[in-house]
Order: sequence, then structure tokens, then C-alpha cells
Amino acid sequence: AQKITQTQPGMFVQEKEAVTLDCTYDTSDQSYGLFWYKQPSSGEMIFLIYQGSYDEQNATEGRYSLNFQKARKSANLVISASQLGDSAMYFCAMREGLGTSYDKVIFGPGTSLSVIP
Amino acid sequence: DTGVSQNPRHKITKRGQNVTFRCDPISEHNRLYWYRQTLGQGPEFLTYFQNEAQLEKSRLLSDRFSAERPKGSFSTLEIQRTEQGDSAMYLCASSFPGQGIGHTEAFFGQGTRLTVV
Repeated sequence: AQKITQTQPGMFVQEKEAVTLDCTYDTSDQSYGLFWYKQPSSGEMIFLIYQGSYDEQNATEGRYSLNFQKARKSANLVISASQLGDSAMYFCAMREGLGTSYDKVIFGPGTSLSVIP
Repeated sequence: DTGVSQNPRHKITKRGQNVTFRCDPISEHNRLYWYRQTLGQGPEFLTYFQNEAQLEKSRLLSDRFSAERPKGSFSTLEIQRTEQGDSAMYLCASSFPGQGIGHTEAFFGQGTRLTVV
């Protein structure tokens, strides 16, 4: 079964507008971490933002914010004021089993974001 | 320390040959992960190490694949008798232990792109 679901294979957004990239996850752990990574065409994986399962406030990092709804097991990424350089693949990821032998980070299938001038 | 380093960046090999990739993690990170990424997909977990111990291997990791991390420092991923289906980007990442709740994102190298002809 898919642990991380990203239902939007591709998204378009107008420059300077905000965009929300969806992510839902599945875990039975109480303690876990959620991440978003950006992968431009150059191929490098760039960490964007982190949300811990016990964090009560939604994480924010500059223009990135994470809309964390624990009961719904969703962790959507919101990018405000989109820029042309935001065009890339975006991956939602989860780290479960923290500190155990099955501790690992798993990724969703990704969403391709294109910012239109 | 400039981050996670992977060598080589590109490798072209003939079907049936053996290949070996190297990953040098961030020095204070004791967790090291290997992922495989094919075009248009998210990274798929292959295996990971805590120090020198290999703690988990994915079902994706056939008997032709072996990974080592001697002395808990750099790691190597070897593929024996390569097949065309092995063509992919092989990503290495490292992180802190993740004990308890904390900022535990994985930092990625730039990957090794393998092409089997």
C-alpha cells in the first residue's frame, strides 16, 4: 500500500500567485516527521520544510508553509508568491520509526510544478 | 564539509558488467540511505545504515545488489551483472539519528546516473 500519496501529477501556477501541493500519508506511528523536497531539472534534492507529528503549529520557512492536518493525515505544501525558479518536481516524504531499526524516509511520487510568467 | 558527495556522477556500462558507486556522507551523520529514482518517479528506498550496520533492505534490492559501509564512514553500492532495468539515478542521503522528535531531514548527494546499454 502507498504510504505517501500525491494526487497531482502536474500543476500550473501564475507567477506571484500562491499554490497548494497535496500530500496524504499513512502510518500507525505516533512519532514521525513529514518533509517536502524540491528537485529541479538539475536533479539535486533540496530540503524545503519539516513538520514533526507532535508540532502543534504549522511549519513555515520563508515562502513555504505546511498545512498539517493530523487527523486527516495530510501535509499539504503551500508556496506563496510563486517565482519562475519554483518550477520543479516536489516530493512529500515521511520519516517513521524514529530511532528504531526500521527508521527510514520514504517518498511520494511527486508533483511537477510549472510557474507561468 | 560541503555535504553529501557521490561518485561517479555518471556511469555508462554494458549489460552484464559490475558497477560500484561511492557515497561520502556528512561527517557527523550516522545514518546513511540509498535510494533509486527512475524518470518521473519519486526516490525508492533501497537500504540504510546506522553507523556500519545495515539495518534494512528493501525488496527492491535483489541479490545482485550489495551495499557496505565499512567503519561507518563512506558507503559503496555494488550492482553485479547489470541489467537494462537497473538504469536509474542512485541517490545517497545522510541524516542525524532521529532519536525523539527533532529536525531530522535527510541531506542528499547529487546522485549517480547509471545507464546500462
